[in-house]
Amino acid sequence: EIVLTQSPGTLSLSPGERASLSCRASQSVISDFLAWYQQKPGQAPRLLIYDASSRAPGIPDRFSGSGSGTDFTLTISRLEPEDFAVYYCQQYGWSPFTFGPGTKVDI
Amino acid sequence: EVQLVESGGGMVRPGESLSLLCGASGFTFDDFGIHWVRQSPGRGLEWVAGINWNGRSEALADSVKGRFTIARDNAKRLVYLQMNSLKAEDTGLYYCAKAVGGLYSGSHLWGQGTPVTVSS
Repeated sequence: EIVLTQSPGTLSLSPGERASLSCRASQSVISDFLAWYQQKPGQAPRLLIYDASSRAPGIPDRFSGSGSGTDFTLTISRLEPEDFAVYYCQQYGWSPFTFGPGTKVDI
Repeated sequence: EVQLVESGGGMVRPGESLSLLCGASGFTFDDFGIHWVRQSPGRGLEWVAGINWNGRSEALADSVKGRFTIARDNAKRLVYLQMNSLKAEDTGLYYCAKAVGGLYSGSHLWGQGTPVTVSS
């Protein structure tokens, strides 16, 4: 099973700032099959990025994904008030398709 | 409108069974894989199971292998999650999600979830 580690656990920033979230895999993620999700309290997760760097339909271009192999990054170029949430990475290259523990982005 | 609706959740005792349903509308159902993901209260996401477009390829988390099965009926636009020998640690909100593409792809669109509580 691939274990995903996300850092930091919590990121305290202000609107307008840049956020960089890290996701590291215990072994290489095949074909860079990695996704990023955003979840707000009481809501279902929302897909932001898939295949490491492809933005899902309707996702603002301030969200970008990068990385390959075992190291991946989600970058939010300028935080908007609605971006404060928990962010999860998930690999789907190898079954079981594991999630990371999440990074909370708060003010 | 693309929509996924989960049903079948409830409260059961350890060792009992539940069958969850995921109903889909608004897209070509048999073009996409479907995943089940759960979330325990106040905790993170845990992928549970996934199935490809024609039901011939599936995958299960190690924690549910031998107890849960996943299946789909494309004519009825339904995905099933049969959960047997339930344990307290299976408690959580169960989401179904439409994959971006096949089984090996991210979860694009999610339902609102159905709650499962396993308690004596």
